[in-house]
Amino acid sequence: DTAVSQTPKYLVTQMGNDKSIKCEQNLGHDTMYWYKQDSKKFLKIMFSYNNKELIINETVPNRFSPKSPDKAHLNLHINSLELGDSAVYFCASSQGQGNNEQFFGPGTRLTVL
Amino acid sequence: SQQGEEDPQALSIQEGENATMNCSYKTSINNLQWYRQNSGRGLVHLILIRSNEREKHSGRLRVTLDTSKKSSSLLITASRAADTASYFCATLTLIYSGAGSYQLTFGKGTKLSVIP
Repeated sequence: DTAVSQTPKYLVTQMGNDKSIKCEQNLGHDTMYWYKQDSKKFLKIMFSYNNKELIINETVPNRFSPKSPDKAHLNLHINSLELGDSAVYFCASSQGQGNNEQFFGPGTRLTVL
Repeated sequence: SQQGEEDPQALSIQEGENATMNCSYKTSINNLQWYRQNSGRGLVHLILIRSNEREKHSGRLRVTLDTSKKSSSLLITASRAADTASYFCATLTLIYSGAGSYQLTFGKGTKLSVIP
C-alpha cells in the first residue's frame, strides 16, 4: 500500500496553462507539505498544512495555491505556469510538525514548455 | 534561506568501505534528520537526532550532532552498492512560536556512489 501518493507522475504543459497536482496520504497524519526540487536537486519547502493552519512560504508566488479538501489530501494548483516552474514537486506528510519524520511521495516531474 | 550544507557534494567509494557525510547549519534547531533519495524517487527518512542528543545509531548508520559547532555527520559503515543514492540532511526549526509551527529545511545533498 502506498503511504503517500501523487498524481500525475509526469506533467508536460505549455507556458500560461493552469494545472493541478494531487496528493493523498493514508497514514492518518495531520500535517502535509509541498516541496519543490530544482534541477540542482535543491529541495525547498513551499507549504505546510495541518488541520489548524496553512503556513505559506513567502518566497512562493501566489500563482501557487494549496487546497486541502480533507486531512488526507493536499492538492497543489498552479496558475499561469512559467518556464521556471519546471521542477519535481514532492508531497509529504507527518504526524504533527515536531519530532517526527516526514514521509514523501514519489514526486511529480513538471515540465513547462 | 538555505540551512543545511552537506559536504562533500559527491563521494565515490568501494563497496565495504565506510562513507562519511557532513552537514553544517546556521540557526538553532529542534532536530536534525537525514534522508536518502534514489535517482528519480522520493525521499526516505533514515534517522532523526534531537538537539539534546549527541549520537544515534540505526543499523549501519551512525549520526552525530554537535550543536556548539552546528554540524552533524552521517556515517554508513560497510557500504554496499545498494547504498548508492543522494543523502540529505534537514534541520527542523521553529518558525512561528505562537502557532508551534516548524519547518524542515534541506541541504543540497551528498551524492554517494558505491562501486561494487
